Amino acid sequence: SQTIHQWPATLVQPVGSPLSLECTVEGTSNPNLYWYRQAAGRGLQLLFYSVGIGQISSEVPQNLSASRPQDRQFILSSKKLLLSDSGFYLCASSSRAEAFFGQGTRLTVV
Amino acid sequence: DQQVKQNSPSLSVQEGRISILNCDYTNSMFDYFLWYKKYPAEGPTFLISISSIKDKNEDGRFTVFLNKSAKHLSLHIVPSQPGDSAVYFCAAGGGGGSNYKLTFGKGTLLTVNP
Repeated sequence: SQTIHQWPATLVQPVGSPLSLECTVEGTSNPNLYWYRQAAGRGLQLLFYSVGIGQISSEVPQNLSASRPQDRQFILSSKKLLLSDSGFYLCASSSRAEAFFGQGTRLTVV
Repeated sequence: DQQVKQNSPSLSVQEGRISILNCDYTNSMFDYFLWYKKYPAEGPTFLISISSIKDKNEDGRFTVFLNKSAKHLSLHIVPSQPGDSAVYFCAAGGGGGSNYKLTFGKGTLLTVNP
């Protein structure tokens, strides 16, 4: 099965600072990769998904961007964080149907 | 437009009883459905899935039922245990090819009381 490595686990950043969250995948090749944010409460909101290197689709307009420089590497970035960017971010990978998730990053923007 | 809906934000059941979590979808192109379980501050973990060519899939205490005509699926947990307390997400995928994308519902918080 696939293993998703996501770091850091927690992050506290000041408003206006940049962000870079990294996700790497083991155990598969050419996966679909996803960034989700868990909203206050429970919901999982899809932010970006990628079907290949350099191919990024954005689901919602926002202050964030994503990049896929390598087949099994997915990066979530921001040039200037907003307070509203605080949340729990999850990276996921899928080869066909089943998705595997990383352990998440708790981002607090202060 | 929410294509996968979990209309019950929370559910509380007694230990040993059946838990039934429901999910509705609107996109008829979905051909694969999954349930995930999530504890706080952790990533979701896969529970059980079902293809659109089936109407039932069972794995231990977990059974997923699919009603294609109603665009409805449900997860049954029997018997429920306190360790089952978590948020359960329904997900759907379809379209085939390399653009296979999972769409999640907003989740249902299940609490199993001892």
